[in-house]
Amino acid sequence: AQKITQTQPGMFVQEKEAVTLDCTYDTSDPSYGLFWYKQPSSGEMIFLIYQGSYDQQNATEGRYSLNFQKARKSANLVISASQLGDSAMYFCAMRYGDQFYFGTGTSLTVIP
Amino acid sequence: DTAVSQTPKYLVTQMGNDKSIKCEQNLGHDTMYWYKQDSKKFLKIMFSYNNKELIINETVPNRFSPKSPDKAHLNLHINSLELGDSAVYFCASSQGPSGRLTNEQFFGPGTRLTVL
Repeated sequence: AQKITQTQPGMFVQEKEAVTLDCTYDTSDPSYGLFWYKQPSSGEMIFLIYQGSYDQQNATEGRYSLNFQKARKSANLVISASQLGDSAMYFCAMRYGDQFYFGTGTSLTVIP
Repeated sequence: DTAVSQTPKYLVTQMGNDKSIKCEQNLGHDTMYWYKQDSKKFLKIMFSYNNKELIINETVPNRFSPKSPDKAHLNLHINSLELGDSAVYFCASSQGPSGRLTNEQFFGPGTRLTVL
C-alpha cells in the first residue's frame, strides 16, 4: 500500500527565513511522482512543485525547492525567504498510476 | 476560464435529504476524483473515475455515488445525508493514462456541505 507521512502538524517561521516541511513516503514501486500543494485559508488547492522518482536533480520552482532523498524515501519542501502569504496548509502527495495519496498536511504560520 | 468548477460552493441542508454536487472540467483530462476534507483538514479520496474504470474507496458509504454523464463531468450524489457528512468536498481532475506521473491534479474550489 502507498503511504504518505507528514509528521509536523504545525510549523512557525520568521518572515524572510527559510523553512523545511517534511514528507516521507512508502512505496515498493520504482515509478511514482511526488507533489506539494498549498491550501491557503481561502480553501483552494494550489499545485506548487513536482518531483519524479527517476529525476536526478531536485525540483525547484521559484522560492520552492524539493529536497528529494530517494534512499530515505523523503521529499521535503523547502520554502526560501518566507512571506506572510506563505501561511497556509501544505500537503505532500504521491502519484502512483492514476491514484494520488495525500499526507495529513502541515500548517505553516509565517511570523512578521 | 475556470479549469475545474464545482457547484454549489455552499450547501446547507437537513439530515435525511438527498443532494448533488456538480463538477465540470474543461481541461480534457481523462480522470476525475472526489475528495472529502474534514474539519481537521484531512483529505480523503472517495472516488476516482475515468471512462473505463470507477475506483471506490471502500470506506465510503454507499449513500455516496458518483455519476458521470460524460468525460468532462463527475457529479456526486449523496442520499440520506447525515451530520457526519458535513465537510468540504473537492472535485479534481488529472491527465492520464497511467504512467504520466508528471501530471498533477487540478482541484475545483470546493463545496462546503453543512448538514443540520
